[in-house]
Amino acid sequence: SQQGEEDPQALSIQEGENATMNCSYKTSINNLQWYRQNSGRGLVHLILIRSNEREKHSGRLRVTLDTSKKSSSLLITASRAADTASYFCATDAWGSQGNLIFGKGTKLSVKP
Amino acid sequence: EPEVTQTPSHQVTQMGQEVILRCVPISNHLYFYWYRQILGQKVEFLVSFYNNEISEKSEIFDDQFSVERPDGSNFTLKIRSTKLEDSAMYFCASSPRGRNGEQFFGPGTRLTVL
Repeated sequence: SQQGEEDPQALSIQEGENATMNCSYKTSINNLQWYRQNSGRGLVHLILIRSNEREKHSGRLRVTLDTSKKSSSLLITASRAADTASYFCATDAWGSQGNLIFGKGTKLSVKP
Repeated sequence: EPEVTQTPSHQVTQMGQEVILRCVPISNHLYFYWYRQILGQKVEFLVSFYNNEISEKSEIFDDQFSVERPDGSNFTLKIRSTKLEDSAMYFCASSPRGRNGEQFFGPGTRLTVL
């Protein structure tokens, strides 16, 4: 089954605007994580939210988790051109040893 | 700041050849992972490794694949007989703990099978 599906697939905004990306998943999870990937580069961990948490902040990032709806959102406030990248949610499934199931990602483009 | 490193950055090989992709995880981490990303597709889990043995593996990780931690620092992924469809970016990751642990990814090795 698909796990960690993000929407939208692509998002284009102006610098200074907020960007919201959503993620849905199907199975029970230990946690949900968001990663960022610049074109052709490795993945950079942004934030981890545990299954018993509802909201978490880190700098300009805000993540919410609704386990009843099996969904999460990532909000980037006051976006910058340097935020241009692909953003992936990844779930650490309940009962796993930490292996992550990634979604297809949202490609964010922030125009100066 | 400690980071995961991977070599080579790009590997080109002929179909049927064996390749070994190398990773040096962060030194005090205990859990190690390999993932792959076919161009334009999602990142897929291959295998996790803890305490010198495989913890979990996906359906992709068939008999053609193997992992090894030959010494205290390296973590390798071997593909015995490469196929065209093995062409992908291969990422190594390490974590100080398994569940609920942030994973630190390396920059990846781009494998091209001709």
